[in-house]
Amino acid sequence: GNSVTQMEGPVTLSEEAFLTINCTYTATGYPSLFWYVQYPGEGLQLLLKATKADDKGSNKGFEATYRKETTSFHLEKGSVQVSDSAVYFCALYTGTASKLTFGTGTRLQVTL
Amino acid sequence: GAVVSQHPSWVICKSGTSVKIECRSLDFQATTMFWYRQFPKQSLMLMATSNEGSKATYEQGVEKDKFLINHASLTLSTLTVTSAHPEDSSFYICSAPSRGLAGESKNIQYFGAGTRLSVL
Repeated sequence: GNSVTQMEGPVTLSEEAFLTINCTYTATGYPSLFWYVQYPGEGLQLLLKATKADDKGSNKGFEATYRKETTSFHLEKGSVQVSDSAVYFCALYTGTASKLTFGTGTRLQVTL
Repeated sequence: GAVVSQHPSWVICKSGTSVKIECRSLDFQATTMFWYRQFPKQSLMLMATSNEGSKATYEQGVEKDKFLINHASLTLSTLTVTSAHPEDSSFYICSAPSRGLAGESKNIQYFGAGTRLSVL
């Protein structure tokens, strides 16, 4: 079956530090990969996505590259801000059922 | 972009009462919607798939009679927590996959802002 593994949090960084949140997956077929962000008390927002190998998704300074050879989709940002503090979920999607498989989420806390 | 509206955002109820949560797709039609439950500091657990015009599909371990789902139209799905108890207190989130003009999946799900249910 499908599964997503994320690094455990919380991740605590100082403002302007470099961020990496690791995500690896197991899937049948050729999944699409997503990063969702959840701010405190809110639902999930799509942050970025990649639909095929070597695609790079990017948004708001965040990037992630679909690496088929390592089955990974690590999230990176060169310089984090306090406003990036949130929970980040890696997810994959296969087939036509539109079901997403989520990782456990990684909480990011950015301090001044 | 596509928007999914969820209402209410927060509800407090007494044990034994029922609570209805609405999920609406505001600018697109959704023949399918998903209901998730999220426990504190945990990931989302898919509860059920709501299908317009037919019965919902529940994930293993989710009580159908406890969590009633109705997908009355192409833009509205409701989740009713019946005879709520404190252990039902949680954050419930709905989502809807976007589709193209021909009904094809566009591979993106849009999420509601969530409903925090507190059962006293």
